[in-house]
Amino acid sequence: DAGVTQSPTHLIKTRGQQVTLRCSPKSGHDTVSWYQQALGQGPQFIFQYYEEEERQRGNFPDRFSGHQFPNYSSELNVNALLLGDSALYLCASSWTGTSGTDTQYFGPGTRLTVL
Amino acid sequence: AQSVAQPEDQVNVAEGNPLTVKCTYSVSGNPYLFWYVQYPNRGLQFLLKYITGDNLVKGSYGFEAEFNKSQTSFHLKKPSALVSDSALYFCAVRDPINTGFQKLVFGTGTRLLVSP
Repeated sequence: DAGVTQSPTHLIKTRGQQVTLRCSPKSGHDTVSWYQQALGQGPQFIFQYYEEEERQRGNFPDRFSGHQFPNYSSELNVNALLLGDSALYLCASSWTGTSGTDTQYFGPGTRLTVL
Repeated sequence: AQSVAQPEDQVNVAEGNPLTVKCTYSVSGNPYLFWYVQYPNRGLQFLLKYITGDNLVKGSYGFEAEFNKSQTSFHLKKPSALVSDSALYFCAVRDPINTGFQKLVFGTGTRLLVSP
């Protein structure tokens, strides 16, 4: 059973460019969350997608946007890249069951470097 | 808003000795608490969670955590540390009110170093 997968593994961009990161959830999961982990810090919640809609968002600007596809995979898009966007971007998948207590499982992350 | 604090940036322990990694939380309502571990250049691996029930939660790789409501703590423990346990450990809390929303709020992490 494949876990959460993310692509690409590493990415180097320059300021002002746009980037798209991809995530495939664990089999049986329908919810995808994205987190940004800056060097030396804990992950920060960007947003969460369920039923192809963004249902919760953290304190990130509109330059950060996303999408969820019918097969539950997801993309994270970042426009007008800034140096401060350099970080490890983590995708987590889970199942939105009736209890709401389901665990989020994380992918290996995409390391984004903005020059 | 919910938050967690990990007061120690680093914990050092000798192999074979017990280890504790501390976490305190602040939430409105009953907390949903998690521990994750991160190895270098890797994503986060789930260790264990507390939702309700017994205050002692058992998880993966021999780890356990003790939930203490009066002290608002959720410390991670292991009876006998291994060198391979050396990694970065994160405590996290989830919004207990909107159970359909699964946003996790993480602490700053504690680096565990286990010496041979």
